Amino acid sequence: SQTIHQWPATLVQPVGSPLSLECTVEGTSNPNLYWYRQAAGRGLQLLFYSVGIGQISSEVPQNLSASRPQDRQFILSSKKLLLSDSGFYLCACDTGTSAYEQYFGPGTRLTVT
Amino acid sequence: RKEVEQDPGPFNVPEGATVAFNCTYSNSASQSFFWYRQDCRKEPKLLMSVYSSGNEDGRFTAQLNRASQYISLLIRDSKLSDSATYLCVVTSNSGYALNFGKGTSLLVTP
Repeated sequence: SQTIHQWPATLVQPVGSPLSLECTVEGTSNPNLYWYRQAAGRGLQLLFYSVGIGQISSEVPQNLSASRPQDRQFILSSKKLLLSDSGFYLCACDTGTSAYEQYFGPGTRLTVT
Repeated sequence: RKEVEQDPGPFNVPEGATVAFNCTYSNSASQSFFWYRQDCRKEPKLLMSVYSSGNEDGRFTAQLNRASQYISLLIRDSKLSDSATYLCVVTSNSGYALNFGKGTSLLVTP
């Protein structure tokens, strides 16, 4: 079964600073990868998904971007953070074969001050 | 109308009680349905998929009513360890994305 690693676990960044969150997956090849954000008191919001290296689809236009430089690596970035970017960022994967079952990494809790 | 709607709770029940959660979804084209469990400040974890004929996994029973666009989760003989937020999840039009409800909070007390 797959294992998803995310780091850092927590992060406090000032407004206007850059951001880079990394996600790596073990135990599966060619997974579909996802970035979600969960803001306080709100449901999970899909930000990006990727079906392969270099293929990124954005679900919500904002100041964030994503990249997939390797099959099992997914990166979430921002050039300038906003207060509204605070939240719990979760990376998820599915194998594309199990009826869309998605599995999540442990997440990064981001506070923008 | 929100894609997935759930009663936020909280549901406070004693150990051993039976509790049921309901969920409605707006996209009649959704093909797959799930219940996830999320503990405080942790990632969501897949609890069970929901099939049209209904399915059971130990103390947990899930039901789907496509005509009414309604999903349910029944927990029998509640344990303290069942305390968590339960998320109702359905597939979206894109075929990749999942739409998550905001979750129903359950607290099982001694």
